Amino acid sequence: GEDVEQSLFLSVREGDSSVINCTYTDSSSTYLYWYKQEPGAGLQLLTYIFSNMDMKQDQRLTVLLNKKDKHLSLRIADTQTGDSAIYFCAETDGGTASKLTFGTGTRLQVTL
Amino acid sequence: GAGVSQSPSNKVTEKGKDVELRCDPISGHTALYWYRQRLGQGLEFLIYFQGNSAPDKSGLPSDRFSAERTGESVSTLTIQRTQQEDSAVYLCASSSALASRWAQYFGPGTRLLVL
Repeated sequence: GEDVEQSLFLSVREGDSSVINCTYTDSSSTYLYWYKQEPGAGLQLLTYIFSNMDMKQDQRLTVLLNKKDKHLSLRIADTQTGDSAIYFCAETDGGTASKLTFGTGTRLQVTL
Repeated sequence: GAGVSQSPSNKVTEKGKDVELRCDPISGHTALYWYRQRLGQGLEFLIYFQGNSAPDKSGLPSDRFSAERTGESVSTLTIQRTQQEDSAVYLCASSSALASRWAQYFGPGTRLLVL
């Protein structure tokens, strides 16, 4: 079955860049997503990338996809304390409505 | 509404009781999903509905769990004879082909505690 893995924890200083990594096993993944979850809150969709793309940039966020290695990363430029949260990557193998398979989440801690 | 809403936001129940959790999707979203998030863990898929198709129930952990959806609107997730291991946050999401190519938008969740 599908498997999505992430490192558990990342600590960065305010103003530095953060890079959160994700690996997945399903070669038929079509869309890959990054979600942010703040304490006690639901999941907020940050960005997504289609599997035929290598990179997507959206303001401070850059998503890189290495389909050969099944590796996805999220780079947050100029990380702020408000970026402290848990970040989940997720993948789906469907081009239409289909369940998401989530990673275990990476807790990002931003220090002053 | 502007986003996915869920009720109640918190539910405390006694072991053995039945609970019903409600989800109101974003208006116009044809697909609706239920996930479970145990403390400190990622999300587990439970079930999803898409239009008039038969729901995908492949993630339901036992026959104590069931869900219904009325047309393309409200859904209820029912857990019968609750057990302590059912304690978790239950998250609902909805999506549409027109909204970011089926990206799923989540509600705030219902935090369920079974005593």
